[in-house]
Amino acid sequence: DTAVSQTPKYLVTQMGNDKSIKCEQNLGHDTMYWYKQDSKKFLKIMFSYNNKELIINETVPNRFSPKSPDKAHLNLHINSLELGDSAVYFCASSRAAASSGNTIYFGEGSWLTVV
Amino acid sequence: GIQVEQSPPDLILQEGANSTLRCNFSDSVNNLQWFHQNPWGQLINLFYIPSGTKQNGRLSATTVATERYSLLYISSSQTTDSGVYFCAVVLESWGKLQFGAGTQVVVTP
Repeated sequence: DTAVSQTPKYLVTQMGNDKSIKCEQNLGHDTMYWYKQDSKKFLKIMFSYNNKELIINETVPNRFSPKSPDKAHLNLHINSLELGDSAVYFCASSRAAASSGNTIYFGEGSWLTVV
Repeated sequence: GIQVEQSPPDLILQEGANSTLRCNFSDSVNNLQWFHQNPWGQLINLFYIPSGTKQNGRLSATTVATERYSLLYISSSQTTDSGVYFCAVVLESWGKLQFGAGTQVVVTP
């Protein structure tokens, strides 16, 4: 069983569309994250939720809206997609916040291409 | 400014060679992890090592927290070791897991 799973794995969509990426973890963790990896492989945190509450919200356009229906799920919705949104988006989780010294586990990534 | 620096940025190794990757960080940390991103893009957790030394097979890592650096050793490298190695830290002053830019490793047969 995959510990942190995200869907879809690949997504090609047109500019202006709205799309969602779903993430689920079966590790019983309290904290979940979204990271973005750009074309230069740089990984940057976007959001972090702890027990469904937003705890980290980096400088991300408000077209990106995370939603956590329960602590095992953290979905990412993106409105009005732009070319610059093309990237790999990684979901991750940890038992508690990484700032408390907890190991973080990543999903396999979702490759988003905006054309 | 830059808070996590990795070196070298690129490394080409012949199969069987040993190598050392370095991660410098700008402040005290309470979380440091090493990851391997394989050529298929999967991020694999190698070590959780805010201090001390750990070994896992041909890989080992050492963090000297007082001197603000961590080292990842790859011994007897294999082609499957190819990929990007990331160091990620949580700085006590910041509270977020911050990644370095990575070291791209290519192991040739």
